[in-house]
Amino acid sequence: DVVMTQSPLSLPVTLGQPASISCRSSQSLVYSDGNTYLSWFQQRPGQSPRRLIYKVSTRDSGVPDRFSGSGSGTDFILKISRVEAEDVGVYYCMQGAHWPRTFGQGTRLEIK
Amino acid sequence: EVQLLGSGGGLVQPGGSLRLSCAASGFTFSNYAMTWVRQAPGEGLKWVSTIANTGGNTYYEDSVKGRFTISRDNSKNTLYLQMNNLRDEDTAVYYCARGFLAPDCWGQGTLVTVSS
Repeated sequence: DVVMTQSPLSLPVTLGQPASISCRSSQSLVYSDGNTYLSWFQQRPGQSPRRLIYKVSTRDSGVPDRFSGSGSGTDFILKISRVEAEDVGVYYCMQGAHWPRTFGQGTRLEIK
Repeated sequence: EVQLLGSGGGLVQPGGSLRLSCAASGFTFSNYAMTWVRQAPGEGLKWVSTIANTGGNTYYEDSVKGRFTISRDNSKNTLYLQMNNLRDEDTAVYYCARGFLAPDCWGQGTLVTVSS
């Protein structure tokens, strides 16, 4: 199975400051169609997961542009340019290139 | 508006069975593969199973193979997960989600508790 390793697992951030989450995969996530299927999900307290970014860097409709994704191959990053109170929650990366699909352990973002 | 409404969760004894349903609306259900993901209490997300849009191909996480069956009825816009021989470790919130490469819409989740 492809292991997805996130860091840090806990991320205290001051409001208005940037935040960054790393996700590393044990194998390349390039799919047979040439795309790289690395997605990021946000799960706010008590809510279902919400997709933020897919194919490494494409932001979903309605996702604020302070969220951005980057990376290639096996190393990926989710960045929040200026953290807001509504960003509190757990963030997961997920690979869609191999079976079984696998998620990172999750990174809990909290406000300092 | 895309909506996925999960149902069928509840309390079941170890070794028992349960069938989850996920009613889809707001999109052409038969055009999309569908996925089940679960989340044990206080834990992270774990992929469980995926079914192709036609129902022809199915995929399972190893720990549920032979016990869980994913299926769909495109005439009813509904996804199912038949869960047999349930174990304590199957206790989780089960989410249905649209898609198989990067699920883009998720249901509200239905809680399955396996306990004697």
